[in-house]
Amino acid sequence: DAGVIQSPRHEVTEMGQEVTLRCKPISGHDYLFWYRQTMMRGLELLIYFNNNVPIDDSGMPEDRFSAKMPNASFSTLKIQPSEPRDSAVYFCASSPHAQRVGDTQYFGPGTRLTVL
Amino acid sequence: GENVEQHPSTLSVQEGDSAVIKCTYSDSASNYFPWYKQELGKGPQLIIDIRSNVGEKKDQRIAVTLNKTAKHFSLHITETQPEDSAVYFCAAPLTDSWGKLQFGAGTQVVVTP
Repeated sequence: DAGVIQSPRHEVTEMGQEVTLRCKPISGHDYLFWYRQTMMRGLELLIYFNNNVPIDDSGMPEDRFSAKMPNASFSTLKIQPSEPRDSAVYFCASSPHAQRVGDTQYFGPGTRLTVL
Repeated sequence: GENVEQHPSTLSVQEGDSAVIKCTYSDSASNYFPWYKQELGKGPQLIIDIRSNVGEKKDQRIAVTLNKTAKHFSLHITETQPEDSAVYFCAAPLTDSWGKLQFGAGTQVVVTP
């Protein structure tokens, strides 16, 4: 299996522009997670899906952030409009089953976003 | 919700020595404790995990211990090698949620030859 695939790997954009990050989870995994990693705040969960349905988006910073999962093999995280404080590494992860029963999250390589 | 604290934030060890990272958690109902390793430019990868029905688990040079009474768990790396240099994260599930892990702040481990 190719693992979790994210694109692009690097994104540089100007403040105010729309940014779309993409993720392809591991086939057969029921859960998909979007994280943001910064030096100041560490690894933060933004939102997660179960069987393509958003379950908890309490970590999404504000209305400028939105995430979708139109099918089991694709998810997007969109920032519109982007701001310099959104600069971070964004990770997508997938998991076969629920974390409460104890299951591995498999992380993608991340997208490094820089907003100028 | 779950609160996970991790110490130390940085750890420098000589090659061949042991490294120990400790984490505490707040939710006594937590039952699964994974450890992730993040190498530079990559996403975190699971290296070992432990469930609440055991006190210790080993995998070659890596071991994890769990003390449920004290609500802490530790990662032990023996005979450290330069390739062990990375950031290590502990985590625990939020028991009020099926899908969420609370990660510690991370420990930067540097193994010097």
